[in-house]
Amino acid sequence: DAKTTQPNSMESNEEEPVHLPCNHSTISGTDYIHWYRQLPSQGPEYVIHGLTSNVNNRMASLAIAEDRKSSTLILHRATLRDAAVYYCILRVPGQNFVFGPGTRLSVLP
Amino acid sequence: DVKVTQSSRYLVKRTGEKVFLECVQDMDHENMFWYRQDPGLGLRLIYFSYDVKMKEKGDIPEGYSVSREKKERFSLILESASTNQTSMYLCASSLWNLNTEAFFGQGTRLTVV
Repeated sequence: DAKTTQPNSMESNEEEPVHLPCNHSTISGTDYIHWYRQLPSQGPEYVIHGLTSNVNNRMASLAIAEDRKSSTLILHRATLRDAAVYYCILRVPGQNFVFGPGTRLSVLP
Repeated sequence: DVKVTQSSRYLVKRTGEKVFLECVQDMDHENMFWYRQDPGLGLRLIYFSYDVKMKEKGDIPEGYSVSREKKERFSLILESASTNQTSMYLCASSLWNLNTEAFFGQGTRLTVV
């Protein structure tokens, strides 16, 4: 299975930017980088995904390294509602979404 | 705006019972997945299906079976529930295209007593 590694936990202050890193050194050329988050007592929800270029949407930005071996999810202004577990996963041929432990983000008021 | 619906949010069953967990998606997705989530173990894939009547084992299929008779519905079956199957069960669906995201249901918290 395609592997990603993320820090176990991170902290941020409210209204400050948050950069959540992810390493995926074994990524292949056709693998998409996906980010999901899981709020307490809910199913995971999609945040953003990309292949090679940086991506922006209303929730976040995704910065992908030139060699694609790492990526960073950027929340531009963290709010208390952004406190969640964030998962970085690779979507690979075979169609499975393989989840690792993720990063637990705490947002301090 | 509900896209993936799981039939129950909470379920309590007795050991040895046959349990059906139902999942329905309204997005005409080819792929459907069943995961279980346990503290410290994250989400683990039980089974997935990429078409009607097709199924593939995931990482932890033992003790489970699945059924996909219609494209929109994917059922997880616990043939004889055991206490170690107490868990949160999550259903998801996606298009075949790698450049698309997965959608998850709200989860079913199953307790086997």
